[in-house]
Amino acid sequence: DTAVSQTPKYLVTQMGNDKSIKCEQNLGHDTMYWYKQDSKKFLKIMFSYNNKELIINETVPNRFSPKSPDKAHLNLHINSLELGDSAVYFCASSQLFGDYGYTFGSGTRLTVV
Amino acid sequence: EDKVVQSPLSLVVHEGDTVTLNCSYEVTNFRSLLWYKQEKKAPTFLFMLTSSGIEKKSGRLSSILDKKELFSILNITATQTGDSAVYLCAWGGYGGSQGNLIFGKGTKLSVKP
Repeated sequence: DTAVSQTPKYLVTQMGNDKSIKCEQNLGHDTMYWYKQDSKKFLKIMFSYNNKELIINETVPNRFSPKSPDKAHLNLHINSLELGDSAVYFCASSQLFGDYGYTFGSGTRLTVV
Repeated sequence: EDKVVQSPLSLVVHEGDTVTLNCSYEVTNFRSLLWYKQEKKAPTFLFMLTSSGIEKKSGRLSSILDKKELFSILNITATQTGDSAVYLCAWGGYGGSQGNLIFGKGTKLSVKP
């Protein structure tokens, strides 16, 4: 059983398109996150979502929007994709703001052409 | 400015060597410091440190936090080729960033046979 699962694993799309990445966790965690890892392997927080409270990293363009239908899911929607959006996107979850560690999904490699 | 600074950025050793990876961090709103290992896919959790001077150990890996000097080290003894990975240090904070992790740029460790 995968604890944090993301789909798709790979996504190749053209500039200007709109795409979504889905994330689901079956750990019963109360907080979910999206991280972006660039080509230099630098991981950077994009969003965290806890009990309907969304905390946004102010550097994230508003073309990116997280959507949480319920506590176990946090999807990432991206409008008007740009070349610079190419990266690996990781979903993660934790309990109690990470007091017991974080679990990452296996990542979605997005390539914008 | 970077909240988390790791050194060295890369390291090449031979099997059997002992390595020490460094992580210095910013003190403001500090809650916890975490270490992750990233091979090809998702970062996997190694340690979470909140108290100064208490060593956490898992097999050949160990880590300790110095809250006075604001750094942590990750030690790996008797290295094996399977230890080759990027090791990520992450800062966890209170307040607005509660639950979010801020990652360092990582140390790429290569263990040669």
